[in-house]
Amino acid sequence: QQQVKQSPQSLIVQKGGISIINCAYENTAFDYFPWYQQFPGKGPALLIAIRPDVSEKKEGRFTISFNKSAKQFSLHIMDSQPGDSATYFCAASSGSARQLTFGSGTQLTVLP
Amino acid sequence: EAGVTQSPTHLIKTRGQQATLRCSPISGHTSVYWYQQALGLGLQFLLWYDEGEERNRGNFPPRFSGRQFPNYSSELNVNALELEDSALYLCASRSRRAPYYEQYFGPGTRLTVT
Repeated sequence: QQQVKQSPQSLIVQKGGISIINCAYENTAFDYFPWYQQFPGKGPALLIAIRPDVSEKKEGRFTISFNKSAKQFSLHIMDSQPGDSATYFCAASSGSARQLTFGSGTQLTVLP
Repeated sequence: EAGVTQSPTHLIKTRGQQATLRCSPISGHTSVYWYQQALGLGLQFLLWYDEGEERNRGNFPPRFSGRQFPNYSSELNVNALELEDSALYLCASRSRRAPYYEQYFGPGTRLTVT
């Protein structure tokens, strides 16, 4: 049972544009919502995370927006660069279950 | 500081055989997680070991098992391999004091079952 739904599956953006990846969840027991970035041949790496009582968190060009009532959250990459080309995974952490549930991933390509 | 290491990089087995995958966590990390990354399915949680004990397992059959050694390294065993077990198997480690989402991943072992 997929508890975190991610879209789009793939995304192509021009250099300097804004990349937006969306995720939706069902389980209200999730207590943290991290994003991971994975380059080819590498394991995923934690990018940024947000708590459900915060509506937005920004780190450099990366921003998470969180809508608790809609049970949705999204990653915005401002001024996208070719070096941002990677697969991005949203996830949800459950303190009680003590595990991460991942979305299916978005393959981002930033064209030069 | 060395990251999470996994061996082997690639593993080719035939259906019905057993596979053993190994993981060394970051020094000082006591928790090890195993995930299966099949094409288009994201990361599926397999197992979590902490302080030598299995703490949680995902929705996988019992032929997926593992253990954690006193030095916190871990191995994943997959018995009676099936074609659909072909995937990238990722190991992640976490510090005892870190939140559950703060996991550091290795590069993975690509398992191919023919």
